Amino acid sequence: GIQVEQSPPDLILQEGANSTLRCNFSDSVNNLQWFHQNPWGQLINLFYIPSGTKQNGRLSATTVATERYSLLYISSSQTTDSGVYFCAVVDYGGSQGNLIFGKGTKLSVKP
Amino acid sequence: ETGVTQTPRHLVMGMTNKKSLKCEQHLGHNAMYWYKQSAKKPLELMFVYSLEERVENNSVPSRFSPECPNSSHLFLHLHTLQPEDSALYLCASSQGTLTSGYTFGSGTRLTVV
Repeated sequence: GIQVEQSPPDLILQEGANSTLRCNFSDSVNNLQWFHQNPWGQLINLFYIPSGTKQNGRLSATTVATERYSLLYISSSQTTDSGVYFCAVVDYGGSQGNLIFGKGTKLSVKP
Repeated sequence: ETGVTQTPRHLVMGMTNKKSLKCEQHLGHNAMYWYKQSAKKPLELMFVYSLEERVENNSVPSRFSPECPNSSHLFLHLHTLQPEDSALYLCASSQGTLTSGYTFGSGTRLTVV
């Protein structure tokens, strides 16, 4: 099945700093999503981005499908950005609707 | 609120109990899912329902039994669970299973004692 790798596994930032999170995947995809899981466990869909670039406020994401990676940019980080960021792709070769998650990047933003 | 509501938020149950988790989506989606998130493990798919038909059972033990009475509601019936089944159970919905974003609920944190 498809493999999803995220880096870095852990990231500590000072409030106001910028960061880039990376997601590599082992096969071509038509469905890639970025999620933020807050400390209470809720998973929030940040972007559905199988290709191209999208922006939403201080967050933006870019997927280069031909090179099998996606990047999530966080600018002017805030303490509320803390949590775990997951990249996930649909495995078309496996179970229908199976969203394969990476292990996540745990982000801590210090005031 | 994300449009997907899960109840209860927390549940503690004994190994001989029977309980049910409930999920309701208000987004008009036609696919719903149960995912399990255990400590130190990636999220893993349990069940997929598309147009109210179960299309995938991802090798889940029979002590977990899903039910999808209509396109807006999804249940997970639990019986004779084991302590290792303690985890965060997340419900999600999407429009189709292939090319759209998934919306997750807040989850039910289950502890089996």
